[in-house]
Amino acid sequence: DGGITQSPKYLFRKEGQNVTLSCEQNLNHDAMYWYRQDPGQGLRLIYYSQIVNDFQKGDIAEGYSVSREKKESFPLTVTSAQKNPTAFYLCASSLQGAAFFGQGTRLTVV
Amino acid sequence: AQKVTQAQTEISVVEKEDVTLDCVYETRDTTYYLFWYKQPPSGELVFLIRRNSFDEQNEISGRYSWNFQKSTSSFNFTITASQVVDSAVYFCALSGDNFNKFYFGSGTKLNVKP
Repeated sequence: DGGITQSPKYLFRKEGQNVTLSCEQNLNHDAMYWYRQDPGQGLRLIYYSQIVNDFQKGDIAEGYSVSREKKESFPLTVTSAQKNPTAFYLCASSLQGAAFFGQGTRLTVV
Repeated sequence: AQKVTQAQTEISVVEKEDVTLDCVYETRDTTYYLFWYKQPPSGELVFLIRRNSFDEQNEISGRYSWNFQKSTSSFNFTITASQVVDSAVYFCALSGDNFNKFYFGSGTKLNVKP
């Protein structure tokens, strides 16, 4: 089935550790995005990528890093520099028009 | 600057009532796109509709309808005869014509009670 797959669904991290969230799509979409959602709030853009090997910072990129080595994959690393990483993370892709989202990863720092 | 405002934080209705979710946007672009997404408790955002800035025709899809008015920079969403399954958080979003970024409102939580 075509779609966007995020893994894992739930992730626990100890303070001071880096962690990588996976996002894979088989929709042949050029653009991919990472958003962060906090309780009761909207989505805030972390990073986006319009083509392979190119990506741009969004509104809240500090403490995060990404790579786009393949069209299908856009992993997000939450580094120890991110002061408040506990949140729900959503990955999306878009060809020309609407963004389609994965099921999200809920990250909790313990 | 691009901005989307959903002033209604939470709405509660009884099943079969009609409900309208408000969305007001700001943009300097002449070409832009507006979207509505539904986020059920599972968390995934489900795409509902896309509308471009040159098409002000209202759209109806089953119990859903959308009213786009450029004069008031609004793109409101109405659910007719609401059902319990409509309970979710609904997001309005805005994008420029290059789709570099999607700007989301803060969402409206809809509770439909039986």
